Amino acid sequence: GAVVSQHPSRVICKSGTSVKIECRSLDFQATTMFWYRQFPKQSLMLMATSNEGSKATYEQGVEKDKFLINHASLTLSTLTVTSAHPEDSSFYICSASSMDQPQHFGDGTRLSIL
Amino acid sequence: DAKTTQPTSMDCAEGRAANLPCNHSTISGNEYVYWYRQIHSQGPQYIIHGLKNNETNEMASLIITEDRKSSTLILPHATLRDTAVYYCIVSSYRGSTLGRLYFGRGTQLTVWP
Repeated sequence: GAVVSQHPSRVICKSGTSVKIECRSLDFQATTMFWYRQFPKQSLMLMATSNEGSKATYEQGVEKDKFLINHASLTLSTLTVTSAHPEDSSFYICSASSMDQPQHFGDGTRLSIL
Repeated sequence: DAKTTQPTSMDCAEGRAANLPCNHSTISGNEYVYWYRQIHSQGPQYIIHGLKNNETNEMASLIITEDRKSSTLILPHATLRDTAVYYCIVSSYRGSTLGRLYFGRGTQLTVWP
């Protein structure tokens, strides 16, 4: 199946730090990328949807100034958690899709804010 | 998007077929049925999807009822590595912003030796 790479896999940082997570579609051009968040023992929650070259569309309740999404190319999207606090600690997962591919997911980034 | 209903948990003996049901009684005509699974601490893995015809690939088979109000994912010969949470999701379109996936709680499938 299609491969989506996410980096880093784990981040531990101090409160107030901004953290950038990269999501790459390795073997297909992703017209759309998605970002999810998953808290322990809960299901995935969609945060935002982005098309290449366009502004991201955020789900209700997700702060766009807190979670900056850039989708500058058909193979790369980034999520930046700005001024992260302990409550932002979570498992962040990206996915990528195209007209020919259903959503394929990365392996996630475990973010821990101290 | 239409919601789905799945059993919270199921067990299956290794080597036997695992049949995972999903109800999606409010599915719209242009909505696909997608199945994903998530093994602990990993990203979800795509399994299969379909619109109205039954589908089969190297991982599983998807049986959709004629009225499209329910479906069944079949793992023909379950192994211990198939232990995971399985999500049934309906979504309107893929490859565009319309193709959002909203995950429910899924079914925890446990395969035992």
